Amino acid sequence: GQQLNQSPQSMFIQEGEDVSMNCTSSSIFNTWLWYKQEPGEGPVLLIALYKAGELTSNGRLTAQFGITRKDSFLNISASIPSDVGIYFCAGRDNAGNMLTFGGGTRLMVKP
Amino acid sequence: NAGVTQTPKFQVLKTGQSMTLQCAQDMNHEYMSWYRQDPGMGLRLIHYSVGAGITDQGEVPNGYNVSRSTTEDFPLRLLSAAPSQTSVYFCASSYGYSGNTIYFGEGSWLTVV
Repeated sequence: GQQLNQSPQSMFIQEGEDVSMNCTSSSIFNTWLWYKQEPGEGPVLLIALYKAGELTSNGRLTAQFGITRKDSFLNISASIPSDVGIYFCAGRDNAGNMLTFGGGTRLMVKP
Repeated sequence: NAGVTQTPKFQVLKTGQSMTLQCAQDMNHEYMSWYRQDPGMGLRLIHYSVGAGITDQGEVPNGYNVSRSTTEDFPLRLLSAAPSQTSVYFCASSYGYSGNTIYFGEGSWLTVV
């Protein structure tokens, strides 16, 4: 099956710092999605990307669809304690029926 | 505005027992799916459905059964529970499957002893 590698697996940062995480795929995706999951909840969509090279922001979050269509990046600027959670990337290929998820990046923010 | 509703939230099963996880959505979404989430492995697709009467296997379908008799409901059946099926299960739905937003339920925590 498709492989989607997400890194880093976890991050422990100081409040106010910027955060970067990325996902790389062994195959081309047509859609990249970034989700955040808080304890005891299902994932919630943060940003959706539909075109190679696309750069999209949602408040302090910015995500990019890589030119090769095999990677995507999520940046969080000026982190705050409520940014704590697990961030997942997900990609959808040409067939469109299946969404492949990365293993997640666990973010911890120290006030 | 209920969205995607899963029940039960928590369940403990004995090895060999069967059970059904219920999932319902009130958004008239065509596409519904079930994922399992295990530590460090993200979410893996078990089964999905692109409309009433149509189901298909995902990445990890073994040991699970689904049906889609109505647009709203997409139950997941564990036929004979095994400890390897201890996991958190998420149901999801979307209007289409071509890049549209997917909405997740709150999850069902299943432990098989």
